[in-house]
Amino acid sequence: DQQVKQNSPSLSVQEGRISILNCDYTNSMFDYFLWYKKYPAEGPTFLISISSIKDKNEDGRFTVFLNKSAKHLSLHIVPSQPGDSAVYFCAASRAGGGADGLTFGKGTHLIIQP
Amino acid sequence: DAGVIQSPRHEVTEMGQEVTLRCKPISGHDYLFWYRQTMMRGLELLIYFNNNVPIDDSGMPEDRFSAKMPNASFSTLKIQPSEPRDSAVYFCASSLRRGNTEAFFGQGTRLTVV
Repeated sequence: DQQVKQNSPSLSVQEGRISILNCDYTNSMFDYFLWYKKYPAEGPTFLISISSIKDKNEDGRFTVFLNKSAKHLSLHIVPSQPGDSAVYFCAASRAGGGADGLTFGKGTHLIIQP
Repeated sequence: DAGVIQSPRHEVTEMGQEVTLRCKPISGHDYLFWYRQTMMRGLELLIYFNNNVPIDDSGMPEDRFSAKMPNASFSTLKIQPSEPRDSAVYFCASSLRRGNTEAFFGQGTRLTVV
């Protein structure tokens, strides 16, 4: 039972264009969401997060949008750069109580084409 | 700080052997997490500790898996006996506190059981 779903295993985007990565969740208790980026042979590294009290958080080229009613979040990268090619994981947690630790999606492999 | 340090980076062992994975969290972090990444299941939480005490081990797949944290700067994940289906990348992560905070991951240990 996947509580965090990333339905696109891979995504190919041209350099300079916008990359949009999507994530859906089923557990309404999740109240904190994160995106991690992972290069081969490395551990995931934190990219950006959003609390459920917000619907948007921006950090440079990266923006995360949260739609609580749809249980959906997305990561926008604009403009996309070759170094953005990596696997992106969506993660969720219940910050307000209950279990700690992050529940991850299976990841989306983003490929930026020159 | 050097970040979360895991050893070994790669481990190849024969079925039935004992395997011990090691982790040094970031100094000052109160939470330590062990994750496993496989193609089928993605990144899944195995167990986490708070102040060296195991809090939730519900993700540990079988009794063959055990984890310890004898002090704030060291944790081990042991598999005994190992089986081919244990082959995966095992990540250790640490965080400063529960709730609205990101976890920092080590580079992982790639375990192959033949």
